[in-house]
Order: sequence, then C-alpha cells, then structure tokens
Amino acid sequence: NAGVTQTPKFQVLKTGQSMTLQCAQDMNHEYMSWYRQDPGMGLRLIHYSVGAGITDQGEVPNGYNVSRSTTEDFPLRLLSAAPSQTSVYFCASGRGSNQPQHFGDGTRLSIL
Amino acid sequence: DAKTTQPTSMDCAEGRAANLPCNHSTISGNEYVYWYRQIHSQGPQYIIHGLKNNETNEMASLIITEDRKSSTLILPHATLRDTAVYYCIVRVAESSTLGRLYFGRGTQLTVWP
Repeated sequence: NAGVTQTPKFQVLKTGQSMTLQCAQDMNHEYMSWYRQDPGMGLRLIHYSVGAGITDQGEVPNGYNVSRSTTEDFPLRLLSAAPSQTSVYFCASGRGSNQPQHFGDGTRLSIL
Repeated sequence: DAKTTQPTSMDCAEGRAANLPCNHSTISGNEYVYWYRQIHSQGPQYIIHGLKNNETNEMASLIITEDRKSSTLILPHATLRDTAVYYCIVRVAESSTLGRLYFGRGTQLTVWP
C-alpha cells in the first residue's frame, strides 16, 4: 500500500495563477480531508469529504475548491493564487471521520 | 469546540519514559481523545486514541483520568526518533464540520542522547 500520496511535493506560483494539488489514497477510505499548516497556527481544516460526490467546507475554505468524483482521489484547487495561500498542505484519509487519519507527506506551496 | 491544553515543550533522556500531559476539561461524554505526532517536515502520524479506558498499542500507552478531563500519553522507552511535536486532539462532531480534528499547538518533545 502506498497510503496517501500527494503531488507535487513542492510548487512555486505567481499571484493569480491557478493550480491543483493532487491527493490519492489506496486504502478505500471514505473520509478524506485537506489541511493547511502555517507557522504558529497548527493545522487548519480546509475542506473534507465523507464519500464520493460529497464535500463540505472546513475552517478555512475561502479560495479553495474541491471535488470527489472517485473514492481514491480528492484534488484541491486554487482558483487564483494569493500570497496568503503560501503554506504546507496536507491531505488525510480515514475509514470514517472519527477513525484514525492517515496523512500524506505534504505539498509545500509558495506564492510570489 | 472541546479544546486541549498542552505544555509547549518537554524533553526526555533516551531510553526513559516520556509522559506527555493534556488537559481537555470541556470534553463531552461521547468524544474521544486522539494523539498524533508530527516529525519535522512530515505529515502527522496517528499514535493512539481512547474514550474512557486506558489504551496501549505498539507505539504508546494512553492514560485517561476517571473524570476524563485530562490524559497522559506515555512513550515507554523514548528514542531519538521520537523527537516530534505531539498533538492531543478531542474529536469534535458538529453538523457543519463532521468529525473535524482540531489541531492546537502541540508539545515539542525533544529526546536527548
């Protein structure tokens, strides 16, 4: 099992550009989520999904879109990148929202 | 949200037990206590969780007080690889953020040789 795979590992964008952070899991987990981690702020929930076709907002959803067309994939889209979105992004999955979560290794995103 | 309070930092000698405390005085009766850790530059790693009873697995032990207002994570024989930030989390179940894990600042554990 590869677990939770995030791509890319690093990315530099210019303000206004768009991009998609990829997240895939091979554990057949229903629950998936995206967090961002900033210095001194801990991890904050962006969006989550309880199954294919179902998504909802977390604590800091503005500027991000998600979709869940398959159980395996949960991409995070930045529509128009802003410097405030410079962060480390983690994707996680679990059998359910109250089950242990498995995290990917993160995507380090810098927006100039 | 039922939030947690942890010391900012702790240290421990290699081979000794590391005891990491957590206060969660507003925990509700059906909320679990989870522990995760994050080694530098890596994603968080699940360690253990519990509701009322003490729990043990291959990584650690979790001791929850009878009133459930605090808990202690015990790493019985700490190694240098256990140096990490440890997060104590109470699982929140709200209608708008189902099952959200609230990550606070955590405790930076440093294991020294």
